[in-house]
Amino acid sequence: NAGVMQNPRHLVRRRGQEARLRCSPMKGHSHVYWYRQLPEEGLKFMVYLQKENIIDESGMPKERFSAEFPKEGPSILRIQQVVRGDSAAYFCASSRGGETQYFGPGTRLLVL
Amino acid sequence: QQQVKQSPQSLIVQKGGISIINCAYENTAFDYFPWYQQFPGKGPALLIAIRPDVSEKKEGRFTISFNKSAKQFSLHIMDSQPGDSATYFCAASIQGGSEKLVFGKGTKLTVNP
Repeated sequence: NAGVMQNPRHLVRRRGQEARLRCSPMKGHSHVYWYRQLPEEGLKFMVYLQKENIIDESGMPKERFSAEFPKEGPSILRIQQVVRGDSAAYFCASSRGGETQYFGPGTRLLVL
Repeated sequence: QQQVKQSPQSLIVQKGGISIINCAYENTAFDYFPWYQQFPGKGPALLIAIRPDVSEKKEGRFTISFNKSAKQFSLHIMDSQPGDSATYFCAASIQGGSEKLVFGKGTKLTVNP
């Protein structure tokens, strides 16, 4: 039973480019969460999605960041016009809802 | 405002010793408290979790102690092993709502052989 899958594992972008991070939840899971981890910091919640719906985006920066979880395919976290401060590890977690969240291996984003 | 405070920031323990990590929370609506273990370059992995109707939960060498009145909970790792060397995060959430996890800042545990 495959776990949460994220790709790419590492992503390098220059300032001003777009970053697109993908997350495939565990089989049977319809709840997806995105978290950001800065160096030497804990994880910070960004957004919670169910299929085709954003449930809670209270942790998302107001500009440049967006997320989706379409009916078919992986969840996507999109960062437009990246800046150096966006460099971080981005983790996706999935659950059945009301239960444990299982985390993926993360995408390490480096903005040059 | 940090809602979950974790200490210590780092911890060095000898093999066979007991590792103790503490967390305190502010929001009394939290009703689910998991601990995650993270190795360098990996994602967090659930270690053990507790709900506030239980004061202690044990799984193998790992035990969570929970004090609802003090709004504190702690992780005890008995007979610590070098393979336990990792960063440990406590977290809290409100079940039935968005269930987003609020994490502590982490404790880097080093177990010396």
